[in-house]
Amino acid sequence: LAKTTQPISMDSYEGQEVNITCSHNNIATNDYITWYQQFPSQGPRFIIQGYKTKVTNEVASLFIPADRKSSTLSLPRVSLSDTAVYYCLVGDSENYGGATNKLIFGTGTLLAVQP
Amino acid sequence: NAGVTQTPKFRILKIGQSMTLQCAQDMNHNYMYWYRQDPGMGLKLIYYSVGAGITDKGEVPNGYNVSRSTTEDFPLRLELAAPSQTSVYFCASSSPPGLVSDTQYFGPGTRLTVL
Repeated sequence: LAKTTQPISMDSYEGQEVNITCSHNNIATNDYITWYQQFPSQGPRFIIQGYKTKVTNEVASLFIPADRKSSTLSLPRVSLSDTAVYYCLVGDSENYGGATNKLIFGTGTLLAVQP
Repeated sequence: NAGVTQTPKFRILKIGQSMTLQCAQDMNHNYMYWYRQDPGMGLKLIYYSVGAGITDKGEVPNGYNVSRSTTEDFPLRLELAAPSQTSVYFCASSSPPGLVSDTQYFGPGTRLTVL
């Protein structure tokens, strides 16, 4: 079972770079690593996805070491509106028959950005 | 594009009552999912569907039923509501795994209370 472990909460200030690390020791060969963001009373929203090395988009960067047993979501220069819960997920292909879209959500990391 | 829509937004049920949570998507996605999210917790997969006429159980299917007669719609049925089913329910959709855009798109959620 490809479970993930991430910090329960993190604090930051506006303008700082925030790095949230997630461990996934049992990640399967075919699994991608995906990060979602969730605001209160809303559904999760896709942020970024990667398989190995580094991925960057207009919102964040994702760093994945060669062994893929962990990953780090990097948010540059956070603002108050980045306060949310961030979920790290890997596709649980072993449990649900091969489709990497069957994601297992943990409790996520609550990022609190202060002025 | 409306994306993923869910109705109703809120509902209060009495123990033993039944109801159907509606979910529709206009992105022509083959895959659709139902999750529940209890307070302070991550999302748990209830049921999923890989296409019209095909459904399968997720992590917590007991007490729920689904059907998928069309690509667009994926209703979730609660037959005998119990207080343990008090939760926020999210519907999501995606393209099949392995495609570039196979990330999941979530609806706004339905907040259900069973008294």
